[in-house]
Amino acid sequence: EVQLVESGGGLVQPGGSLRLSCAASGFTFSDYDLHWVRQPTGKGLEWVSAIGTAGDTYYPGSVKGRFISSRDNAKNSVHLQLNSLRAGDTAVYYCARAYQYGSVRLDVWGQGTTVTVSS
Amino acid sequence: AIQMTQSPSSLSASVGDRVTITCRASQDIRSDVGWYQQRPGKAPKFLIYAASSLQSGAPSRFSGSGSGTDFTLTISSLQPEDFATYYCLHDYNYPLSFGPGTKVEIK
Repeated sequence: EVQLVESGGGLVQPGGSLRLSCAASGFTFSDYDLHWVRQPTGKGLEWVSAIGTAGDTYYPGSVKGRFISSRDNAKNSVHLQLNSLRAGDTAVYYCARAYQYGSVRLDVWGQGTTVTVSS
Repeated sequence: AIQMTQSPSSLSASVGDRVTITCRASQDIRSDVGWYQQRPGKAPKFLIYAASSLQSGAPSRFSGSGSGTDFTLTISSLQPEDFATYYCLHDYNYPLSFGPGTKVEIK
């Protein structure tokens, strides 16, 4: 079964850090780009990062310089390091895969992990 | 960065209705748009890519059209399981961005 499972969410103080992980199974991990998308409670989806098969990374301005994505093809996992966290980063964080060629098709998603930034 | 807008922000419709949702990009993005459905408490589900191509496994009542800056998602005959929020996502270049969503509610 093709599956993505996120972990690592939790409660963190403003200015703190957290490392999210996404474990993949059931497909050839090295053939896919991995994306992170977040959703604050009751609000819309926000694209947060992408990491390509070669380890190239992309971010929107809202998190660039604070969030770092990495991948471990040997362990079929992707990570998102969240630094200098703010209240506005509170959200459910989803990882999703997209085949490396063609359109960005986020065709498989994890169940999400919740990050709460609060003092 | 490219901004995506959607209209309407919400709509009420009945089972069997034809529903159309519009997405607009802040610049020409060719056909580089996808559509996603999200039911409450669930992860998004992928429906349409490249503006008009139906993802394998997505119901055929969903269709997409458009190019340039204006795109539409159409549900030809609304089913009970289609009551959800729909988002467009451009993949023309990085950073990607979603539209704000359109909530489809039961009339």
